[in-house]
Amino acid sequence: SQQGEEDPQALSIQEGENATMNCSYKTSINNLQWYRQNSGRGLVHLILIRSNEREKHSGRLRVTLDTSKKSSSLLITASRAADTASYFCATDYTGTASKLTFGTGTRLQVTL
Amino acid sequence: NAGVTQTPKFQVLKTGQSMTLQCAQDMNHNSMYWYRQDPGMGLRLIYYSASEGTTDKGEVPNGYNVSRLNKREFSLRLESAAPSQTSVYFCASRARDSPYEQYFGPGTRLTVT
Repeated sequence: SQQGEEDPQALSIQEGENATMNCSYKTSINNLQWYRQNSGRGLVHLILIRSNEREKHSGRLRVTLDTSKKSSSLLITASRAADTASYFCATDYTGTASKLTFGTGTRLQVTL
Repeated sequence: NAGVTQTPKFQVLKTGQSMTLQCAQDMNHNSMYWYRQDPGMGLRLIYYSASEGTTDKGEVPNGYNVSRLNKREFSLRLESAAPSQTSVYFCASRARDSPYEQYFGPGTRLTVT
């Protein structure tokens, strides 16, 4: 079964607003990663947060990790139409550093 | 650099036919992966190769075989295709050392009728 569950499944916002997506997972992890998938394309890595980190920033992206709650959130600030995509969290669990387990994804629609 | 390439982009098979999906990477990565993605779902790992010469099963290996031909190439074979294998298949690769992100190919859309 899949490790991560994302919430919400779909999100529709207007350009300029912030978008927040959440990910929950089940077991201890080495790190958690977020990926973006544009329609019909492969996944692109966005950001990685290690299990001993609590927050990380990259441009308009902010990721938090709460290992006690086994959850993470991805915040995209000042969203743009080009941010329209599906976003997936992926966990790299302790002891299996070669493998990622993906969540079910959040579909983000940013309208003008 | 082309990154991760996959062939073919699209394929239609009849039930029982066989085919091989090809994947190659030019980033000198040690690890390579095959995933499938079904509508509305995340990616599920079929097989992976942590390094040249090794392969291991992932979450959904039944009905598939793989070959790590060399460090660059990792192929996925469907010996007798079934409608349940209709999916989009992605290949990915990853460097041995940190950072641990995976790099994905553009995918192969397979339909089995």
